Parts: sequence; C-alpha cells; structure tokens
Amino acid sequence: QKEVEQNSGPLSVPEGAIASLNCTYSDRGSQSFFWYRQYSGKSPELIMSIYSNGDKEDGRFTAQLNKASQYVSLLIRDSQPSDSATYLCAGYSGAGSYQLTFGKGTKLSVIP
Amino acid sequence: GAVVSQHPSRVICKSGTSVKIECRSLDFQATTMFWYRQFPKQSLMLMATSNEGSKATYEQGVEKDKFLINHASLTLSTLTVTSAHPEDSSFYICSARGLATDTQYFGPGTRLTVL
Repeated sequence: QKEVEQNSGPLSVPEGAIASLNCTYSDRGSQSFFWYRQYSGKSPELIMSIYSNGDKEDGRFTAQLNKASQYVSLLIRDSQPSDSATYLCAGYSGAGSYQLTFGKGTKLSVIP
Repeated sequence: GAVVSQHPSRVICKSGTSVKIECRSLDFQATTMFWYRQFPKQSLMLMATSNEGSKATYEQGVEKDKFLINHASLTLSTLTVTSAHPEDSSFYICSARGLATDTQYFGPGTRLTVL
C-alpha cells in the first residue's frame, strides 16, 4: 500500500527562522511530489512540485527530493506568521488514475 | 492560471434533501477531477475520481448511489449528495488535473451542514 508519512507536529519556529518540513514515501515508483499549504478552514493550495533529485527553489521555499532515500522536504526561509498552516506532502506514482497519495500533514506555527 | 472554482461555498440543508455542488476549471480543460471530503482536524479523504465523459471511480466505502458524480464536460464536474443526513456534514473539496500534467489544483471547497 502506498503511503506518505509526515510528522503531524505541531512544528513551532520563531519568526525569521528556517522551517523544515519532512516527508517519506513508501512507493519507489513515485515520480512526482507536491507540497500543498492548507490554512484552517480552507482548501489546499499548491506551493511547489518537484520531479527530479536535488533542490528546487521558489522564493522563500525550497523543495528537496532524494529518491534513493524516498525522502522529500520543504524548507521555508525567513518564516513569517502568515506561513502558519498545515503543510501536505503528496506523491504521484505514475499510475493512470493520476491520484495523489497525501500525507496527513504537518502543522506549522510561526511565532512572532 | 489553473483556477478552480466551486459553488456554493457554503450550504445548509434539511435532512433528507439533496445538494448539488459544482466544480469548474476556469482557465484550463480538466481531464480528471477529484472529489475529496475533509472532516474537522482530519486529513483529506479521496471520495472519487472522474474523467470527462466516463463514470466516476469511487473509493472503497463511498456509496456511489449517495454521492452522484457527473463530469459531462472538460470544465465542469458536479457532486450531488442525495438524501443528505447530519453525518454527511463536512467540507467537500474538488480538484482538477489538466491534460498532460499530474498536478492537481484545488477548488476553494464547499462546507455542507445538514440539519
């Protein structure tokens, strides 16, 4: 069974610090990975996608993928209180259904 | 780009009535749409996957006769909750995938309250 595991948190970081969110996955066939941010009471919002080993940067966000270790991470630099949300990691195995397997999410709190 | 809308954003209905929720991709053609449900403080739960012009594929434990899904065009999918009961009260969220991509874009969600 395909699984995506995340530490549920809460992860608390002070404003301006780097927040590090981690995710592991069980399906070695997974090809692409996504990080979504979900504010309380709202729907998920896509932050980044990553397909290749290594780092991918977009503004204050950096996604890291290590397929050998089956590990995905999201770094948020210069964390702001507005970054406080639940972050969902999702993987896609390449199957025809295009379903994503979601982790349960990590709740991040950025303390002013 | 990649905007998905849902309507209504919030609905309150009486037990036994049916409720229809619309999901639209506004600026792309959605080959596949997904319907999720999320209870408070819980994870997203995939209910069904629908491809344009085909019958929806429901996840185990989701009653297809209760949750009717129609994906008649490349920009519109509907979820009808039939004979709704209080236990159906939840946050229903759709997502859409465009052609030749595996990225899902989520709609803003519909909060259903059944009295």
